[in-house]
This record gives sequence, structure tokens and C-alpha cells, in this order.
Amino acid sequence: AQSVAQPEDQVNVAEGNPLTVKCTYSVSGNPYLFWYVQYPNRGLQFLLKYITGDNLVKGSYGFEAEFNKSQTSFHLKKPSALVSDSALYFCAVSPTGGGNKLTFGTGTQLKVEL
Amino acid sequence: DGGITQSPKYLFRKEGQNVTLSCEQNLNHDAMYWYRQDPGQGLRLIYYSQIVNDFQKGDIAEGYSVSREKKESFPLTVTSAQKNPTAFYLCALYSRGYTFGSGTRLTVV
Repeated sequence: AQSVAQPEDQVNVAEGNPLTVKCTYSVSGNPYLFWYVQYPNRGLQFLLKYITGDNLVKGSYGFEAEFNKSQTSFHLKKPSALVSDSALYFCAVSPTGGGNKLTFGTGTQLKVEL
Repeated sequence: DGGITQSPKYLFRKEGQNVTLSCEQNLNHDAMYWYRQDPGQGLRLIYYSQIVNDFQKGDIAEGYSVSREKKESFPLTVTSAQKNPTAFYLCALYSRGYTFGSGTRLTVV
């Protein structure tokens, strides 16, 4: 069975500093990995995905994520955080071949302060 | 949210009553999904449908029912058998990735 772990319930960072939101996964074969962001009382918005190729994936709003197969990680990063980045972030995985049954992590609340 | 509409945004229900949440799409996608979101638990799959007139149970289907009579519509009924129905419900489409609706917050009073 596939699973995703987001070990931090909340991450606090000062505006202008780099941010990292951690994600590790467990899945058979080569995974498809995703990051989504959720603002209060809204649906999830797609940020980026890794399917194959370059381990560094660039996505929306200046976010990027690095796929590390040996550590089974897919951490989300941004070089310079903005207050408007404050939101709930979800990592998700689906098995090899894509398919369409995503398994989500429990989410990490990002708080960016002035 | 990109051609997928959930209604209502907020819903209140008395204990013992069934309630139906609406999910409509105009993107002509086959696959539709219902997720439940609770604080600290992420999203959990309730039901999904990959084609009209067919649907499958997800991880937490007990106390819920769905129908897929039209490609555009995938309503979710929360029945009185659902022990703890208060949650945020999200509908999603799949085609090379998920597109989510804006959600319905259900509160049992």
C-alpha cells in the first residue's frame, strides 16, 4: 500500500527567508508525486508534480520540489517566502503508471510572518 | 474552480437526516472523486467513478452513497448511518491530474 508522511504539522518562516516543507513517501515502483496548496475554505490548487526526468521540479508561484529516490523524499521549497504563501500544503503520491488514485499526506500548515 | 462546481458551500443538517452534496462539471472528464477532509487527517477517498453508471468505494465509504447517472454530475449523499459527518467535502476530477471543487462544509447540528 502507498503512503505519504508530512512530519511537520506547522512550519513557521520569516518573509524573505527560504522555506522547506517536508514529504516522504512509500510506494511500489516509480512514484508520481504531487504538491497541492489549500487556502481556507477552498479546494486544493495544483502546485507541481514529478513523473520522471529532472529531479528538481519547478511549479507555480515560485515553488519547486526535489525528488530524492534514495531518501524517498519530495520536499517542497521556495527561495524567498511571502506572507501570501501562508496556507495548508499537501503532498500526494500515486503508483507507477499514474493511475488516478492519489494518497495524500496529512498536510503542513505554513505560516510566513513579517 | 476551473469548471467544477460544488454546492452548497455551507450545509447544516440535523442528526438522523440524509443530505445530498452536489458536484457538477463541464470539462467532459470521465473520472470524478469525493474526498472528505478533517483537520490533521488530510484527504480521505470516499467514492470514485471512472465512467457513467459505475462507481467504486474508496477508503471510507461507510455511511455514504453516490450515483453517476450523467457524466456531468456526481452527487454524494451523506446518510444517517454516517457516525461523524461533520467535515469538509471535496469533489475532484481527474485528467492528467486532479482539479478540485471549492468544497462543501457540512455541519451536523
